Amino acid sequence: GEDVEQSLFLSVREGDSSVINCTYTDSSSTYLYWYKQEPGAGLQLLTYIFSNMDMKQDQRLTVLLNKKDKHLSLRIADTQTGDSAIYFCAERFSNDYKLSFGAGTTVTVRA
Amino acid sequence: ETGVTQTPRHLVMGMTNKKSLKCEQHLGHNAMYWYKQSAKKPLELMFVYSLEERVENNSVPSRFSPECPNSSHLFLHLHTLQPEDSALYLCASSQESGQVGSDTQYFGPGTRLTVL
Repeated sequence: GEDVEQSLFLSVREGDSSVINCTYTDSSSTYLYWYKQEPGAGLQLLTYIFSNMDMKQDQRLTVLLNKKDKHLSLRIADTQTGDSAIYFCAERFSNDYKLSFGAGTTVTVRA
Repeated sequence: ETGVTQTPRHLVMGMTNKKSLKCEQHLGHNAMYWYKQSAKKPLELMFVYSLEERVENNSVPSRFSPECPNSSHLFLHLHTLQPEDSALYLCASSQESGQVGSDTQYFGPGTRLTVL
């Protein structure tokens, strides 16, 4: 199966860290992605990680992958109001065009 | 700015109308995609074109007709749509090279379609 699951909502105080979680069911997935969608806009690629990696850091973003538990997380340090958006987790298999997306986590940053 | 543009950004049409959505990518990619994003549902892949040939059609109704005249342009022709077809239609492109680490999809801003 290719189900990708995410919690639907996350509320975070400005300046705190946000952690968005994602689980997937197919252990053969090769690439895992995080996309951000702001209101009225398309999907913006934030970062991706290969399945043979455990962690990837890019400025305020840290991606952790637990392949054994099929769990992916995105941590946003020092969350700002501009981080308010919907965050999508997606998986893709090698030699396959298809991206399987989760339903998205709506992150609300409060002052 | 992702380098993928879509027009129009908003479209309202009746069920008997015929309209087209346009996507253009400025990234030199060789694959293009149409996705449908409905409220409270995961993104659904509709069509994939690689090197201007359709490689996947995920059981999309025939009232949606894609066209890819070249590697930079992708169209979605719409006719006799239903109200449940109202959604955000997203275009994406990627460079399919078969190498590890390639093939990341970059998305356009989408067309918000409302069918009355």
